[in-house]
Amino acid sequence: LAKTTQPISMDSYEGQEVNITCSHNNIATNDYITWYQQFPSQGPRFIIQGYKTKVTNEVASLFIPADRKSSTLSLPRVSLSDTAVYYCLVVISSGSARQLTFGSGTQLTVLP
Amino acid sequence: DVKVTQSSRYLVKRTGEKVFLECVQDMDHENMFWYRQDPGLGLRLIYFSYDVKMKEKGDIPEGYSVSREKKERFSLILESASTNQTSMYLCASSTPIGLAGDTDTQYFGPGTRLTVL
Repeated sequence: LAKTTQPISMDSYEGQEVNITCSHNNIATNDYITWYQQFPSQGPRFIIQGYKTKVTNEVASLFIPADRKSSTLSLPRVSLSDTAVYYCLVVISSGSARQLTFGSGTQLTVLP
Repeated sequence: DVKVTQSSRYLVKRTGEKVFLECVQDMDHENMFWYRQDPGLGLRLIYFSYDVKMKEKGDIPEGYSVSREKKERFSLILESASTNQTSMYLCASSTPIGLAGDTDTQYFGPGTRLTVL
C-alpha cells in the first residue's frame, strides 16, 4: 500500500509563493500525482496533475523530481482566498488494478 | 460542468439503523468512488466501481457495502450503523485513463456529514 506524507499545516502571506511537498514511495513512470484543494463544507476540487518533471497550468505548478519520491505543489502569489486544505493523491497502476492513496492534507493559511 | 450530487448534506441516524447514502453524477463517467474523511486522516477510500454492477473494495470496506445498478448512481450502504461511522462521506466520479492520456480526474460531490448517535 502506497503511503503519502504531507505537512499538517503551513502559513504564508499574501503575494508569496507557497510550496507544499508530498512524499511518497517510489512510483513508476506511468503513475501520476494529482493535487486537490478543499474549502470547508465542500468536496475537494482538482488543481493540477502530472506524471513527471514539471507541469504548469493557470493556477499552479507541479514538480516531480527524477527520483519520484516526492512531488511539490507550487502556488504563485497566494491570496487570502487560497486558504484551504490541499491534498495530494497518488495513483499507482499495476496491470488493470489501481491503488489510490490520498495524503492526510495540508492546511494552508494565507495571512494579510 | 461536471455535477456530482449527494442525497443529503447532513444526516443523523441511530446505532443499528440501516443507512443509504446516494450519489448521482451527470457526466456519464464510468468510475465512481466513496470516501470517508476524518480529521487528521484525510480521505480514505471505502469502495469504488469501474462499471455498472461492478465493485471493488478500497482501503476500509468493513462495515460498508455498495450498489451500482445504473451508471450514474452509486450507493453506499451501512447495514447497521455504528458510532465509529460518524464521518464526512464524499462521493466522486471520473473517466478512466484512456489511450489518449485521459487523466482520470476525480470530481467530488459536496459531501454528506453523517452522525450516528
